[in-house]
Amino acid sequence: DQQVKQNSPSLSVQEGRISILNCDYTNSMFDYFLWYKKYPAEGPTFLISISSIKDKNEDGRFTVFLNKSAKHLSLHIVPSQPGDSAVYFCAASGAGAGSYQLTFGKGTKLSVIP
Amino acid sequence: DADVTQTPRNRITKTGKRIMLECSQTKGHDRMYWYRQDPGLGLRLIYYSFDVKDINKGEISDGYSVSRQAQAKFSLSLESAIPNQTALYFCATSDSRTGGVYGYTFGSGTRLTVV
Repeated sequence: DQQVKQNSPSLSVQEGRISILNCDYTNSMFDYFLWYKKYPAEGPTFLISISSIKDKNEDGRFTVFLNKSAKHLSLHIVPSQPGDSAVYFCAASGAGAGSYQLTFGKGTKLSVIP
Repeated sequence: DADVTQTPRNRITKTGKRIMLECSQTKGHDRMYWYRQDPGLGLRLIYYSFDVKDINKGEISDGYSVSRQAQAKFSLSLESAIPNQTALYFCATSDSRTGGVYGYTFGSGTRLTVV
């Protein structure tokens, strides 16, 4: 039973436009949500996180939005750049859900077209 | 030097062979994890360790074993490798005090092929 779902395996966006990656979760005990970025032949790297007490966190071109009532979060990348082409993993954790052990989605492959 | 180092980076082995993948970290983190990545299946947890004396099975532990030799070292063994264990393997670490905010630090991965 997947607790963290990324329903879009892939996404293509033109350079300069907005990329929106979506993630849904089912476990209401999660209280931190994270996005990881993964290039081929490299390990995933931490991108941005958000606490469940917030609904938005911004870091440069990257913004994560959290809608707790809908158990949904999204990552916005504006403007998208070719270097953003990678696989993006959504992850969730919480003290009540296993003491900060991360549960990952299956990933969304973003392709930014020049 | 990388914070989380995995060796080897690539390995081809034969069915039935025993193989060990090694992971060491300089982050000073107390927790360590082994994941495998397969196309379309994302990251699946094999084993995790919250400290040297604590080993726990993850989602897909069958066919694997681990050893936490020290706080900084966590190795994964395939006792008798089979072709469906061909995958990309990642080691990760986290700090129990801040893992909720910063999550895990991953190694660069080991690409294992079982023929």
